[in-house]
Amino acid sequence: NAGVMQNPRHLVRRRGQEARLRCSPMKGHSHVYWYRQLPEEGLKFMVYLQKENIIDESGMPKERFSAEFPKEGPSILRIQQVVRGDSAAYFCASSPPDSFSYEQYFGPGTRLTVT
Amino acid sequence: SQKIEQNSEALNIQEGKTATLTCNYTNYSPAYLQWYRQDPGRGPVFLLLIRENEKEKRKERLKVTFDTTLKQSLFHITASQPADSATYLCAPLSGGSYIPTFGRGTSLIVHP
Repeated sequence: NAGVMQNPRHLVRRRGQEARLRCSPMKGHSHVYWYRQLPEEGLKFMVYLQKENIIDESGMPKERFSAEFPKEGPSILRIQQVVRGDSAAYFCASSPPDSFSYEQYFGPGTRLTVT
Repeated sequence: SQKIEQNSEALNIQEGKTATLTCNYTNYSPAYLQWYRQDPGRGPVFLLLIRENEKEKRKERLKVTFDTTLKQSLFHITASQPADSATYLCAPLSGGSYIPTFGRGTSLIVHP
């Protein structure tokens, strides 16, 4: 059973470009979470999605950021018009539909660098 | 606002000793508390979850305590090994929420 997959692992974008980060959850998992981690800081929650639904986006910046988890295919975190402050590691995690341990399985992350 | 504190200084210990990491929280009454391990350049890996009505939980060489009065969790690794060197993250959850709030983590370095 493959783990959570994220791609690309490294992404370089110039200011003003768009960044698209992809996350394929573990097989059988229907819950996806996106987190951002800045150097020397903790993981910050961004958004929680289930298939075709955004459940909680309280951690998402109001502008330029969006996320989706379509019926088919990976979850996408999209950052429009990137700025230097968006440079960070972005982690995706997934969990099964009924997770009594609340355990989340994390992917390896995408490291975004904005030049 | 909710605050989770983990010691920002690295913990250096000798192989074979017990490592103890601390997680304190304020303005928060979590129903659960998770611990994760994170290696450099990788995503966190879930280790243990403890519920508010559990005082202690064990898994192999790991032991976690949860004191809701002190608002503190302690994470112990007995018979530590160099392979245990990593950053350990504390992540409390409120009841009914699937979204943990992560602390910044404490780096553990086990010397051979």
